[in-house]
Amino acid sequence: DIQMTQSPSSLSASVGDRVTITCRASQSISSYLNWYQQKPGKAPKLLIYAASSLQSGVPSRFSGSGSGTDFTLTISSLQPEDFATYYCQQSYSTLRYTFGQGTKLEIK
Amino acid sequence: EVQLVESGGGVVRPGGSLRLSCAASGFTFDDYGMSWVRQAPGKGLEWVSGINWNGGSTGYADSVKGRFTISRDNAKNSLYLQMNSLRAEDTALYHCAREPRVATMALGTYYYYYYMDVWGKGTTVTVSS
Repeated sequence: DIQMTQSPSSLSASVGDRVTITCRASQSISSYLNWYQQKPGKAPKLLIYAASSLQSGVPSRFSGSGSGTDFTLTISSLQPEDFATYYCQQSYSTLRYTFGQGTKLEIK
Repeated sequence: EVQLVESGGGVVRPGGSLRLSCAASGFTFDDYGMSWVRQAPGKGLEWVSGINWNGGSTGYADSVKGRFTISRDNAKNSLYLQMNSLRAEDTALYHCAREPRVATMALGTYYYYYYMDVWGKGTTVTVSS
């Protein structure tokens, strides 16, 4: 199975900061990488699909980049509602998906 | 309104069985693949199983292969997860999720990108003696 490793596991930042979360795949997955946001007690929300495509309705301060094994999610200017846990997920292996372990973004 | 509603969770003893259901509404169900994703208390997301639009292709995480069976009934707009030989480590909140796909073409070949864009709130499964 393809393993997905996120870094950091947790991150403290302030409103207005630029934040980058990294996701690394154990093998090349081309651009088959999605990003999700999850807030406590809520279902995950899709942010980015196919590594860099912004899901409809998601603010433009969120962006994704990367290809192959290394990917990043960037939040250009943190807003109070962005404090949450973020997950990457590979869809390279059809019907054998895996998630990263998550990155918890906390208020500094 | 596009909606997924899970049901069927509960408390079961180790070795027992449960059948989860996911009722879809607000979209054409058989246009989409579907997945089950679980989250153990205080833990991250784990993809459990997926199925294509007509049920012809299915996949499972190694942790559930041979014990869980995914299926769908497009006439009833419903997705199911039959869970047998349940273990304590199967205790989790189980979400169903819709999987659209986006196609791109490069050098005469189509590439399909899958992602999970609509999620249900989940149903809780507790395996305990």
